[in-house]
Amino acid sequence: QSALTQPASVSGSPGQSITISCTGTSSDVGRYNYVSWYQQYPGKAPKLMIYDVSNRPSGVSNRFSGSKSGNTASLTISGLQDEDEADYYCSSYTSSTTVVFGGGTKLTVL
Amino acid sequence: EVQLLESGGGLIQPGGSLRLSCAASGFTFSNYAMTWVRQAPGKGLEWVSAISGGGGGTYYTDSVKGRFTISRDNSKNTVYLQMNSLRAEDTALYYCARDLTVPPEAFDIWGQGTMVTVSS
Repeated sequence: QSALTQPASVSGSPGQSITISCTGTSSDVGRYNYVSWYQQYPGKAPKLMIYDVSNRPSGVSNRFSGSKSGNTASLTISGLQDEDEADYYCSSYTSSTTVVFGGGTKLTVL
Repeated sequence: EVQLLESGGGLIQPGGSLRLSCAASGFTFSNYAMTWVRQAPGKGLEWVSAISGGGGGTYYTDSVKGRFTISRDNSKNTVYLQMNSLRAEDTALYYCARDLTVPPEAFDIWGQGTMVTVSS
């Protein structure tokens, strides 16, 4: 099972919006609406930000939103803040009844 | 407070075995599937294995099939990962996580991780 493809890095200025893409295949992202996004700070455990493509767990800011088109899912962060600087990972359920993660994207707030 | 606490990591020689444990508290453990995710030093997240709430369904990534076994004891609110025939590439921080959804694909509660180092 190959990892989902994410850009290695993205950046934006405070107040701007950024989008992180996550590209899979017709066996994972394209087949199911089971894409999640995680935020991870250095030395910390990941935190679930989005699940089932576009659902936010309780307590997650509505500045975070998710979407999907075909084999590509996207995470958008609006009104970028300093504390958003972190690594972001997507994941998807697969037709093999496993889960595959993306390689991760480092978000830098300029 | 909902919490997961992993233990059992350490330094082990190639070919050796370790059993990781993850103790859960603050929620009805048997209602949730549980998952192990690992992260090699400086690398990304890798899904390893999952087990259904009742323990009847188990799932593995290809690279650990036949070497790792996931299990759970709902009376002890604990999930385990038995790791045999360990390889250098198994070196990682191993997290256990609670599955929010069915099928188990979104992990809403994570432990702090336990480090496994495979080296001679």
